[in-house]
Amino acid sequence: AQSVTQLDSQVPVFEEAPVELRCNYSSSVSVYLFWYVQYPNQGLQLLLKYLSGSTLVKGINGFEAEFNKSQTSFHLRKPSVHISDTAEYFCAVTNTNAGGTSYGKLTFGQGTILTVHP
Amino acid sequence: EPEVTQTPSHQVTQMGQEVILRCVPISNHLYFYWYRQILGQKVEFLVSFYNNEISEKSEIFDDQFSVERPDGSNFTLKIRSTKLEDSAMYFCASFETGRSYEQYFGPGTRLTVT
Repeated sequence: AQSVTQLDSQVPVFEEAPVELRCNYSSSVSVYLFWYVQYPNQGLQLLLKYLSGSTLVKGINGFEAEFNKSQTSFHLRKPSVHISDTAEYFCAVTNTNAGGTSYGKLTFGQGTILTVHP
Repeated sequence: EPEVTQTPSHQVTQMGQEVILRCVPISNHLYFYWYRQILGQKVEFLVSFYNNEISEKSEIFDDQFSVERPDGSNFTLKIRSTKLEDSAMYFCASFETGRSYEQYFGPGTRLTVT
């Protein structure tokens, strides 16, 4: 079984400030990790993913995340946020066992609402 | 860019009625999913579908729920007798086999059961 915990339900920041959205996961098997963004009244859009290789991954819109296996974390960061980054952000994991019945199934965290103020 | 589409965007129904939520996944994708998000809660997995059969379902996906891929393009979720607690946003997602592991989500259908 897997679980994902997003430590902050809401994060308010001012425009051009840096931001970090925290995500920790628990799993008995290896996982791949994802961050999705949901703008108001829209579906989920992939921001970035970690499958293997470099633990620092870069995504769209200037976001990046670092996979830390020892701390089972995958925190999302952006050095300077814009008003347009206001959205809800979801961390998610999936089982690396390709071909198993859980192939591709995502387990999500509770979401973090990022609000960027002018 | 190809996208997953869902209809309707909003469905209001009375308790006990049947509803069918429709999705058109990306055409070359082989794995299909339904998730739901109750207002203020996390996105939850409902069911995955591959090769014309359910590959996994959650405990939420009881006998009131069913999925179908009737014509090779549409992917539907049916709730046979809706309950108030079925009110949620329902997302369809599709996934191409390979190494990308990226699921593409539709915009969702907001189901309101009164």
